[in-house]
Amino acid sequence: AQSVTQPDIHITVSEGASLELRCNYSYGATPYLFWYVQSPGQGLQLLLKYFSGDTLVQGIKGFEAEFKRSQSSFNLRKPSVHWSDAAEYFCAVGAGRSNYQLIWGAGTKLIIKP
Amino acid sequence: EAGVAQSPRYKIIEKRQSVAFWCNPISGHATLYWYQQILGQGPKLLIQFQNNGVVDDSQLPKDRFSAERLKGVDSTLKIQPAKLEDSAVYLCASSLQGGGNTGELFFGEGSRLTVL
Repeated sequence: AQSVTQPDIHITVSEGASLELRCNYSYGATPYLFWYVQSPGQGLQLLLKYFSGDTLVQGIKGFEAEFKRSQSSFNLRKPSVHWSDAAEYFCAVGAGRSNYQLIWGAGTKLIIKP
Repeated sequence: EAGVAQSPRYKIIEKRQSVAFWCNPISGHATLYWYQQILGQGPKLLIQFQNNGVVDDSQLPKDRFSAERLKGVDSTLKIQPAKLEDSAVYLCASSLQGGGNTGELFFGEGSRLTVL
């Protein structure tokens, strides 16, 4: 069965420091992979997605993610975080007959230290 | 462009009462989803509509949950009777249909339900 694991429930990073959020997936075929962000009291917003091609994808707000098939990973990175990046981040994999039927990870809450 | 609209934002009810949530997707989006997000967990798909037809409702607890999208536009999710474990945020999302679908779901702000 398809699954998504985000090993870190919380991550605390100082403002200006670099960030990496981990995501591992289990999926039998070539996955469609997504990162969404959920700010407090808000709905989820798509940060970036990987369907095929270049394994390093760029997203909004300065985020990027790298697809590593050998490690079944799709980690999210940002070189320098801002206080406004404090939010919950969800990794998801496309599954089912339509690849946009998503299986979600449990999320990683990002806390920014001033 | 208007986003996905949901109401109410917050609802508190007692167990065994009923509640209904409303969602109006982005204009032109044929696919509509209802997700349940329990605190500390990722969203769980309850039901997916394509226009006014159901694509997937395999995780909808049909003994107490129902959803409809009669005219292929807005949708209502109902819970009757509610249980304590139904306390969650109910998220509505929409997306474009078919080959043009980029996999991007557009979410509303959610309806937070507390069952006492």
